[in-house]
Amino acid sequence: DQQVKQNSPSLSVQEGRISILNCDYTNSMFDYFLWYKKYPAEGPTFLISISSIKDKNEDGRFTVFLNKSAKHLSLHIVPSQPGDSAVYFCAASAPRNTGNQFYFGTGTSLTVIP
Amino acid sequence: DTEVTQTPKHLVMGMTNKKSLKCEQHMGHRAMYWYKQKAKKPPELMFVYSYEKLSINESVPSRFSPECPNSSLLNLHLHALQPEDSALYLCASSQAPIAHQPQHFGDGTRLSIL
Repeated sequence: DQQVKQNSPSLSVQEGRISILNCDYTNSMFDYFLWYKKYPAEGPTFLISISSIKDKNEDGRFTVFLNKSAKHLSLHIVPSQPGDSAVYFCAASAPRNTGNQFYFGTGTSLTVIP
Repeated sequence: DTEVTQTPKHLVMGMTNKKSLKCEQHMGHRAMYWYKQKAKKPPELMFVYSYEKLSINESVPSRFSPECPNSSLLNLHLHALQPEDSALYLCASSQAPIAHQPQHFGDGTRLSIL
């Protein structure tokens, strides 16, 4: 059963505009959320994270928003650049005494059109 | 450049072969992870090592055998694999096996079982 869902498999955005990627989760025990970016033939690269005590975290062009009541998070990229074209995975983790386990969404492929 | 190095990048093996995947990090991280990723699917956790000890085994078949010789190295020994084991195998590390720590991924080993 998929606990982290990204319902949009793909997204196309014009260069300079805002890209909004969405992610929903079902497990209320999740308390830490991350976004990863993945280029073909490379591993996922950590982008930005947020803990459940916050509702927003910003790092340069990237902002992650968390809505705990809706169990929803989103990644905003402003302005979008062609180099942002990649697959974006959201991930969530719940505390575990024996390790730090992440659950990943299925990914959204972002294409930024020059 | 990724700071988690995986070798080999590609591996083709028969069902009776024995081979090993290797992962190395020199960031001083004390938690290391193996994930399996099938096409169009999210990464799925296989094993977690915390301070060189196996802390999580996600009910992985015994034909996959992990080993952590020291804090920088993680191996995955493969024996008598099945065609359905063909996938991308990702290694990751984090500073510590505690909550709210991002995991840093290697580029993966693309494994094909004939």
